[in-house]
Amino acid sequence: DIQMTQSPSSLSASVGDTVTITCRPSQSISSYLNWYQHKPGKAPKLLIYATSTLQSGVPLRFSGSRSGTDFTLTISSLLPEDSATYYCQQSYSAITFGQGTRLEIK
Amino acid sequence: EVQLVESGGGLEQPGRSLRLSCTASGFTFGDYAMSWVRQAPGKGLEWVGFIRSKTYGGTPEYAASVKGRFTISRDDSKSIAYLQMISLKTEDTAVYYCTRNEPQWYYGDYWGQGTLVTVSS
Repeated sequence: DIQMTQSPSSLSASVGDTVTITCRPSQSISSYLNWYQHKPGKAPKLLIYATSTLQSGVPLRFSGSRSGTDFTLTISSLLPEDSATYYCQQSYSAITFGQGTRLEIK
Repeated sequence: EVQLVESGGGLEQPGRSLRLSCTASGFTFGDYAMSWVRQAPGKGLEWVGFIRSKTYGGTPEYAASVKGRFTISRDDSKSIAYLQMISLKTEDTAVYYCTRNEPQWYYGDYWGQGTLVTVSS
């Protein structure tokens, strides 16, 4: 099974900041990496799929990229509503989620 | 408008069975894979399993934690996906979400609101 190591587990940032969240798979997953935003009591929301494709309706402040074996979610110009837990997910072989990153907006 | 509505959750005793349903509307159900994802209290998202569309064989895959106890099936004529759970354990307590998965890349682009399953004596 493919394991996803996501970091950091939590972070705190201010409105207007830029943050990055990283995921590293335990083996090659090609570009089968997706990112989700999850707020308490709500259904998770797809942000980015196939490493860097923005889901329809998602603000351009969200972006995804890959560098070597690491996949990154970048959120720029943070807004209060970005407070949530973010998950990476590989869909190359079955499906695995990362452990999640709790983002607090100060 | 794409909608996924889960039902069938509730309180069940350890060792018993439960079947969840995911009723879909607003899209051609048979064209998509369907997944189940759960979130235990205070924990992260955990993939439970998915079932491929008939075009891709209609076969299921499961997480190791539920393999042999959970079965995913689909009725394309009714646009419903099912999650049959047997030999329930207390650690199966979670909110269970169904998701629509793009059939080649398997990202979950639509999610239901979830149904709570509580396994307790």
